[in-house]
Amino acid sequence: QVQLQESGPGLVKPSQTLSLTCTVSGGSISSGHYFWSWIRQPAGKGLEWIGRIYTAGSTNYNPSLKSRITISADTSKNQFSLNLSSVTAADTAVYFCARQEASAWKNFDYWGQGTLVTVSS
Amino acid sequence: SSELTQDPAVSVALGQTVRITCQGDSLRSYYASWYQQKPGQAPVLVIYGENNRPSGIPDRFSGSSSGNTSSLTITGAQAEDEADYFCNSRDSTGNPLFGGGTKLTVL
Repeated sequence: QVQLQESGPGLVKPSQTLSLTCTVSGGSISSGHYFWSWIRQPAGKGLEWIGRIYTAGSTNYNPSLKSRITISADTSKNQFSLNLSSVTAADTAVYFCARQEASAWKNFDYWGQGTLVTVSS
Repeated sequence: SSELTQDPAVSVALGQTVRITCQGDSLRSYYASWYQQKPGQAPVLVIYGENNRPSGIPDRFSGSSSGNTSSLTITGAQAEDEADYFCNSRDSTGNPLFGGGTKLTVL
C-alpha cells in the first residue's frame, strides 16, 4: 500500500521560505509511471496544483507560482520536497503531496493527509 | 481559458439523484476526473475517464461528458455522500487543473 506523509514547519514568517517534505512508502518515486505533486488548499477553498517532479528530476510548475517554487527529490530517501519563497498570508493553506499516474488518465491516486502551514509573524 | 467552473453548492434529498457539473474549455479535449473530499481529509478519486470508478467506489457514482461540460451523477444519494466534490482536468500545457469545488448537502 502506497503511503505519503508531509512534514515541515506549521508556521512560517512572511517573506521567508516555506519548506515541506513528502516521504513516500510502499512505492518508489524513481518509477517512471508516476508524477509526484504538491497541491494546496486554503481554508474553505478549492484545490490548487502547485507543481510536480518526475523522471530524472524533471519538473512542471503552476505558472502563477513558478517564480517562487522549487520542487526537488531525494531518491535515496524516497522523498520529494517543496520550497516556496517569499511567502505571504495568501500562502496559508493545507499542503498535500500526491501521486499522479502518468497514464492517459493522469489520476491522483494516493494523497498524503495534508499539513497546515500558516504564514504569520 | 484555463479554468474549470463548478456551482459552489448543491443539495439533494436522501435517496434522490443529483448531478454536479463542471465547465471548461479543456473538457472539450480531456475527460474530467472527480474527487470527493470530506472535512479534514484528503480528496478521494471517485470517477475518471469516460465513466470509470476506482475499486471500492459505489456504483451510484457515475460520470458523463458533453461538449465543454462534465457531470458527476449520484443516483440514490446517501448521507455519507455529503462532501465537497472537485473536478480535475488539465490545461493546454498538460498541467493539472481543478475546479473550485461543489459542496453537496444531503437533506
